Amino acid sequence: AQSVTQLDSQVPVFEEAPVELRCNYSSSVSVYLFWYVQYPNQGLQLLLKYLSGSTLVKGINGFEAEFNKSQTSFHLRKPSVHISDTAEYFCAVIYLGFQKLVFGTGTRLLVSP
Amino acid sequence: SAVISQKPSRDICQRGTSLTIQCQVDSQVTMMFWYRQQPGQSLTLIATANQGSEATYESGFVIDKFPISRPNLTFSTLTVSNMSPEDSSIYLCSVVSAGGLRKHNEQFFGPGTRLTVL
Repeated sequence: AQSVTQLDSQVPVFEEAPVELRCNYSSSVSVYLFWYVQYPNQGLQLLLKYLSGSTLVKGINGFEAEFNKSQTSFHLRKPSVHISDTAEYFCAVIYLGFQKLVFGTGTRLLVSP
Repeated sequence: SAVISQKPSRDICQRGTSLTIQCQVDSQVTMMFWYRQQPGQSLTLIATANQGSEATYESGFVIDKFPISRPNLTFSTLTVSNMSPEDSSIYLCSVVSAGGLRKHNEQFFGPGTRLTVL
């Protein structure tokens, strides 16, 4: 079955520290990969996406993610977080042949001073 | 990009009643979706709203419970019928612009409607 796993439901981190949010998907077939962010009481906003090409993808707000096909992973990273990065982050996958986004369970990033 | 508005933004409803949620997009889009985000959980696709025909529902969701309309390319409604406390969720409208997902276009999300059923 197609699924997306975000192992960490919550990640607390201090301001200016680096952070990595983990995402693994269930299949080794071709996929498109996305990270969305949801700020409190707002809709989802696309951070970045991997469709093809370079496995390191840079997105908005200083975030980047690396596609690792052998490990079926697409971890999100930021070298130095801000208080304003506090939000819920969702990894999502489109399995080629299916026109639907499959979402992970989300990771709440809590940045404290 | 597409700007999506939803009405109402939140509501508190009594068990057994129905609520209709509206989704308005500022441009014509090819695909519109409705998602549910239950407390502490991920987004689950309810259905694809098809313009001019019946919506396509995902496993576990039925038309009698979640009737959907899409009268044109910029508007859709989702009704949550005969509500129970288990229907308390955030309901999100989502759209894909020209080309669809297979053309790698971004999927945009509305701000959501926070529903509480007592």
